[in-house]
Amino acid sequence: NAGVTQTPKFRVLKTGQSMTLLCAQDMNHEYMYWYRQDPGMGLRLIHYSVGEGTTAKGEVPDGYNVSRLKKQNFLLGLESAAPSQTSVYFCASSYSIVQETQYFGPGTRLLVL
Amino acid sequence: GNSVTQMEGPVTLSEEAFLTINCTYTATGYPSLFWYVQYPGEGLQLLLKATKADDKGSNKGFEATYRKETTSFHLEKGSVQVSDSAVYFCALTGSGTSYGKLTFGQGTILTVHP
Repeated sequence: NAGVTQTPKFRVLKTGQSMTLLCAQDMNHEYMYWYRQDPGMGLRLIHYSVGEGTTAKGEVPDGYNVSRLKKQNFLLGLESAAPSQTSVYFCASSYSIVQETQYFGPGTRLLVL
Repeated sequence: GNSVTQMEGPVTLSEEAFLTINCTYTATGYPSLFWYVQYPGEGLQLLLKATKADDKGSNKGFEATYRKETTSFHLEKGSVQVSDSAVYFCALTGSGTSYGKLTFGQGTILTVHP
């Protein structure tokens, strides 16, 4: 099992450009999450999904969109990147939402110039 | 809302020293508490967890006890190794509107020297 994978690993964007980050999991998990990690701030939840075809806003959703067309994939989109979106992005998944361990991907480092 | 506060780092120790990383939380209801670890260049992985008051989570020599009276979940290890060098995150899942979603502390960097 690969667990949770993320592509790309690293990307540099110019302000105003768009991109999509892909997260894939092979554990048949229902729940998937996107976080951003910034120095001194821990991880903050951007969006999450409780199943195929569903998405919901997290703590810091502005400037991001997500889609969950297939159970195993969770896409994070930036329509018009801003320097404030420079961060490390982590995807996670879990079997259920109740007291359940979340499994994290290796992260995508994004630099917006 | 829910919040988690960890002791500020970085923490630097010599091998075989005793480790404590403090974690306190604010949450409504009865949260579950977690410690996650992030090794250099990797994603987070669960280290241990506790789901109710007085529970003790343990793994790889690390321990933490869920103390509801002091709203704390301090991480301890009796003898650290160089391989324990990582960033440690305390986190909780709460009840109510934030149910099931992880709230993280800011992370504590641990460096262990030979």
